[in-house]
Amino acid sequence: NAGVTQTPKFRVLKTGQSMTLLCAQDMNHEYMYWYRQDPGMGLRLIHYSVGEGTTAKGEVPDGYNVSRLKKQNFLLGLESAAPSQTSVYFCASSYSGTGYFNEQFFGPGTRLTVL
Amino acid sequence: AQSVTQLDSQVPVFEEAPVELRCNYSSSVSVYLFWYVQYPNQGLQLLLKYLSGSTLVKGINGFEAEFNKSQTSFHLRKPSVHISDTAEYFCAVSNFGNEKLTFGTGTRLTIIP
Repeated sequence: NAGVTQTPKFRVLKTGQSMTLLCAQDMNHEYMYWYRQDPGMGLRLIHYSVGEGTTAKGEVPDGYNVSRLKKQNFLLGLESAAPSQTSVYFCASSYSGTGYFNEQFFGPGTRLTVL
Repeated sequence: AQSVTQLDSQVPVFEEAPVELRCNYSSSVSVYLFWYVQYPNQGLQLLLKYLSGSTLVKGINGFEAEFNKSQTSFHLRKPSVHISDTAEYFCAVSNFGNEKLTFGTGTRLTIIP
């Protein structure tokens, strides 16, 4: 049982390049989330999904796209990277969004630098 | 709308001393409250959570927190800290029927030997 895994762990991009971050979970969770973590700002929600085939915007969605084609995977895409997207990205999943089952399980993070 | 305030960005504490990390929230409806810990270069792990019932919640690694509805607070405490408690601690809030967590900005706990 690997929990939540993220690929890659580190990445350096040049401005304007694109990339996709992959999140996978093996806990059969319905809900998945993408956050970014910046110093002094805590975790901010980028996009989330409440089930296979669904996505929704979070607090800071601009410049990012997501897809949830399979229940276990949640992809975060950057079409044209900007230096402001330099951050640590975390994926999380939860069984559902309400009450007891709202505990979110986090992946180890992806450190992205955009030059 | 819900929000979380962690007033202390950094807290230095001597080893074996007690510690309290403060968290205040705002919400117009009933809340669920969480404390997460992030060790260096790792993801977040759940320390403890308040969903309902007893206002004193015990978590892992000897931490506990008390839900105070009148003061809208959920402070985290430990009676005696260890070097291994060095980490960043995040308070988070959610509401029933809301699939999103709102995180505070975090408190970095530094243990002084």
